[in-house]
Amino acid sequence: DIVMTQTPLSSPVTLGQPASISCRSSQSLVHSDGNTYLSWLQQRPGQPPRLLIYKISNRFSGVPDRFSGSGAGTDFTLKISRVEAEDVGVYYCMQATQFPWTFGQGTKVEIK
Amino acid sequence: EVQLVESGGGLVQPGGSLKLSCAASGFTFSGSAMHWVRQASGKGLEWVGRIRSKANSYATAYAASVKGRFTISRDDSKNTAYLQMNSLKTEDTAVYYCVPAAIQVWGQGTLVTVSS
Repeated sequence: DIVMTQTPLSSPVTLGQPASISCRSSQSLVHSDGNTYLSWLQQRPGQPPRLLIYKISNRFSGVPDRFSGSGAGTDFTLKISRVEAEDVGVYYCMQATQFPWTFGQGTKVEIK
Repeated sequence: EVQLVESGGGLVQPGGSLKLSCAASGFTFSGSAMHWVRQASGKGLEWVGRIRSKANSYATAYAASVKGRFTISRDDSKNTAYLQMNSLKTEDTAVYYCVPAAIQVWGQGTLVTVSS
C-alpha cells in the first residue's frame, strides 16, 4: 500500500496569515491514465470530512479560492492564503491512484 | 448536488452483526465504484472496502482487518450501497462513511459501536 506522510501534524496559525501543509507519498501517484489522484480533505470539529481539492489542484464546488493545491509525483502541498476562523480543523491528504485508498495522518490547523 | 446518506449504525455486542446502508443521489451511481471508509473516535481515516460497478463485475475488495467478516453489496435500482458487518469486534467501533469513487463527496456517516 502507498504510505502518505503529512507534515506538520499540527499548525498553529494567526488569523489572516497563510498556512501550508505538505504531503509525501511513498510512490508516484501518477496513474496510468495520466491523472494524479491526490485529494485534500477538511474535517472541521464534529463534522465529516469534506472534499476540498481533487487531482492535485482542482477546487471542489463551493471551496473558497484561498485554498490551493500543488505538487507532482510524490510531493504535494495544500496552501491556505489567509486563514479564517472557519478553517480550524484537521486536513488529510488521500490518494486514489493505487488501490487501496490511503490517507495521511492528518494535520491539525488551529488558531494561535 | 451529490448526496450520501448513511444509515443503520447502532450499538451491537461483540460477535454481532449489523448492516449499513448508503443512499446516494446527484451522480450516476450505477457507473461509480463505492468505497467504505471508517474513522474511530479521535483517529484518522481507514479504508474498509469497495465495490465496483456492473461494468466491472461488481468486484469487491476489503482491508485485511475486515476481510472475511464484512461484505459490500449494491442495488443500482435503488442507488444504494450496503456494508454487511459480521463477527464484529470492539475495534470495529467507528463512524462509517460511504464515498463514491467518481466524486469523493462524503456523507455524515453512521456510528457503529461494538460493546458489551
